[in-house]
Formats: sequence, structure tokens, C-alpha cells
Amino acid sequence: ETGVTQSPTHLIKTRGQQVTLRCSSQSGHNTVSWYQQALGQGPQFIFQYYREEENGRGNFPPRFSGLQFPNYSSELNVNALELDDSALYLCASSFRGEGQHEQFFGPGTRLTVL
Amino acid sequence: AQKITQTQPGMFVQEKEAVTLDCTYDTSDQSYGLFWYKQPSSGEMIFLIYQGSYDEQNATEGRYSLNFQKARKSANLVISASQLGDSAMYFCAMRPMFSGGYNKLIFGAGTRLAVHP
Repeated sequence: ETGVTQSPTHLIKTRGQQVTLRCSSQSGHNTVSWYQQALGQGPQFIFQYYREEENGRGNFPPRFSGLQFPNYSSELNVNALELDDSALYLCASSFRGEGQHEQFFGPGTRLTVL
Repeated sequence: AQKITQTQPGMFVQEKEAVTLDCTYDTSDQSYGLFWYKQPSSGEMIFLIYQGSYDEQNATEGRYSLNFQKARKSANLVISASQLGDSAMYFCAMRPMFSGGYNKLIFGAGTRLAVHP
């Protein structure tokens, strides 16, 4: 069973640029969530995708957008990068169904915006 | 407002001793889930234990147990027989159960645990 994977591991961008982060969900999982974790803080929910549609969104501006593909993998896109976007971006996959609880996290992508 | 509070920024424990990490939560929902995750320096969030709001017994997973006190809205994590490898950040999280809703987690600020030999 393959766990959640994310790419790239690290990324350095400059202010105003655009970035795409990728996530492959765990085998059998149909839901992907994205979180932003600033240094020294807990993760903050960005949004979630289920059946290729956004299924919930946290307090993040529209320049944060995403996609989910038929194989349940997902992308997080951030446009017009700001310095405060520097963070660890975590992807979590889960199975949306009765009695299912855990979300399994990937290793994260550390984004630095200069 | 739904919120998780972890009041201990850092904790120290001697190897082989037990330690309790505090977590209180705020929600008006009747149905919710409570989680604890471990985050080593590598960054990956590792699921430790889950407690449903309607579960009458405290959850246990190996050396981890969750002390769930619903009336006090607390969900403390107890780690027994601490090991050096337990040194990490620990996050308490809550999942609200919206009807037909989504599976987001609300995290606390975390507690950094250091296990000393």
C-alpha cells in the first residue's frame, strides 16, 4: 500500500510568481485535503476535494486554487505569491465513508517565497 | 467559534516515564471527532489516536491513550513509558461533523515534547 506522496519537497519562489504543488493520495482514498502550516503554528485548512470538486474551503483567498484528478491525486495552485505564503504545505488523504476517521498526511512541501 | 487550545508550548519528560499533553476544545456541535497527531522534525503528520464525541470509553492505541472529558471539553493525550523517539511536536485536532459536509481538521498550536535519557 502506497502512502501519501507530495512533490516537490522544497521550493523557492519570488513574490508575484505562481506555484503548483502536487499530491498523490493513498491507495483507496477518495478525498484530498490541503493545509498550510506556517512556522511555529498548527496546520490551517485550505480546502478539500472529493470526486474532483471542491468540497469545503477555509479562510484563504481565491488565489489559492486546486484540482483533483480521476485517480484522486491533487494539485494546489497559488498565484501572485506573497511573502506570508512561505510555509509547509501538507496534503492529507482519506476515505469518505461510514466509520472512516483518519486522514493520512504526506511529508509536505516546504515553500519559501523571497 | 470552533477552536482547539493547547496551553503547553513545551514539555519535558524523563525516558520511561508517563506524560500528559493537554488539549481543550470549543464547539457547539454535538457530533465531532478528536485526533492527536505527532509531527517529527521531518514534517510529516503521523496519526496517533482518535476519539469520537459519542464514544463512551477513552481511546487507546498502544502506549497512547486519550483522556476524554466531554463535560470539560478536554481531550488530553497520555503517553506511557516515554521513549527518546517520542520527542516531537504533538497536535490536537478536531473534526466537526457537518451533515453532508467535509472532513476538515482544526488544529491547535501544538506542544513540543522533549524526552530526556
